[in-house]
Amino acid sequence: GAVVSQHPSRVICKSGTSVKIECRSLDFQATTMFWYRQFPKKSLMLMATSNEGSKATYEQGVEKDKFLINHASLTLSTLTVTSAHPEDSSFYICSANPGQGNTEAFFGQGTRLTVV
Amino acid sequence: AQSVTQPDIHITVSEGASLELRCNYSYGATPYLFWYVQSPGQGLQLLLKYFSGDTLVQGIKGFEAEFKRSQSSFNLRKPSVHWSDAAEYFCAVGPLSGTYKYIFGTGTRLKVLA
Repeated sequence: GAVVSQHPSRVICKSGTSVKIECRSLDFQATTMFWYRQFPKKSLMLMATSNEGSKATYEQGVEKDKFLINHASLTLSTLTVTSAHPEDSSFYICSANPGQGNTEAFFGQGTRLTVV
Repeated sequence: AQSVTQPDIHITVSEGASLELRCNYSYGATPYLFWYVQSPGQGLQLLLKYFSGDTLVQGIKGFEAEFKRSQSSFNLRKPSVHWSDAAEYFCAVGPLSGTYKYIFGTGTRLKVLA
């Protein structure tokens, strides 16, 4: 199956700094990628849809200035958590879909962000 | 509105016992249904999926699930649980019409007793 790689798997940063998380589709092109956030003991909440070559579409309640998304190529989307605070600590997961009638989403390994 | 419900937050079974994880959905059309497994600190791995056809689908690791339209359910089963099956299991429906968005249930955490 298609492979989605997410990096880093874990990151610890100081409050007030910014952190970038990368999501790559390794063996297919993805015009659309998705970023999810998973709160402790909760399900995955869709944060935004990353669109190659255009602005991301954010879900209601997600701060677009806090969570910057860039989808500069057909195989890479990045999520930057700006001016991170402890409440931003979470597990972030990306997914991508090869398109062309393929309805299965492929997920990255996730990134555990801890803001201290 | 579309939704996915996993009624059981936690389930504990003994190794070797059978397992059934429940999933109910609300969806306007015939859904595409998925079960994913997440080991601690890991991403999601697809166990199985249902698109159409035979309502009993087989997945990896000995799991199977049955789509029951009349009950709006897609329960996951395994005849004999192994200790390595301890993880979080998510049911999902999607993609939503015109998008590649998915809706996930809240998950069921499985604990396996030796």
